[in-house]
Amino acid sequence: AQSVTQLGSHVSVSEGALVLLRCNYSSSVPPYLFWYVQYPNQGLQLLLKYTSAATLVKGINGFEAEFKKSETSFHLTKPSAHMSDAAEYFCAVSRNSGGSNYKLTFGKGTLLTVNP
Amino acid sequence: EADIYQTPRYLVIGTGKKITLECSQTMGHDKMYWYQQDPGMELHLIHYSYGVNSTEKGDLSSESTVSRIRTEHFPLTLESARPSHTSQYLCASRGYHEQFFGPGTRLTVL
Repeated sequence: AQSVTQLGSHVSVSEGALVLLRCNYSSSVPPYLFWYVQYPNQGLQLLLKYTSAATLVKGINGFEAEFKKSETSFHLTKPSAHMSDAAEYFCAVSRNSGGSNYKLTFGKGTLLTVNP
Repeated sequence: EADIYQTPRYLVIGTGKKITLECSQTMGHDKMYWYQQDPGMELHLIHYSYGVNSTEKGDLSSESTVSRIRTEHFPLTLESARPSHTSQYLCASRGYHEQFFGPGTRLTVL
C-alpha cells in the first residue's frame, strides 16, 4: 500500500518569500513521485516528477523538489513566490513496478496563498 | 495539439436525470482514469481503464459506470442523478509516467 501526507492544508507566504510545501510518502516499493498544481475550476497540471533518476528535480514555473529516501520526503520549493503561484498543490505517489504502478495516490492538498 | 477534453464543464441537473460526462484524449494513451473531487479536497479514483473494453472500479465506491469502446473516449454515466453526486469529476490519461488531466466537469444535482 502507498500513501501521501501533506503537512499543512494551508500555507501563506509573502510575495518574494520562499515557498516550502511538505510531502511525505509511504511506499513498499521504490516510488515515482509527482507534484501537481490546480487553479480554481481547472484540472491538475504537472509541476514536476521524480522517476528514480536525479534526486533534485526541477519543474515548471521555477519550482523544484528533492527526493530524500531516508526521510521519505519530496518537499516542493520555490525561492521567490509570485502572486500567480496562489493555487492548490497536490503531491502524489505511484509504484515504479508491478500491476498497480499505473495508479496515483494523492495527498489531501495544500492551498498556497501569496500575500502582496 | 495533443490534449484531453471534458464536456460539459458545468452541469446543473435535477434529481433522477440520466447524465453522461464526456472525456476524450488525442494522445493515444491506453490508460485512462476518472476521479471525484469535492471542493478543497483530495482526489479519489472512481474508475480506470487500461485499454479498449477494459474498465475497473477505483478505490472510492461510485454509482456511476464507464465504458471504453474507443481508445480516445472514456465517458462516465450516472443513470439517476442524486444530490449526493454533486462534485467535480476529473478525467485523466497516462503517458509514460505521469497522468494528464482534463479541465473537469463540475456537477450540481438539485
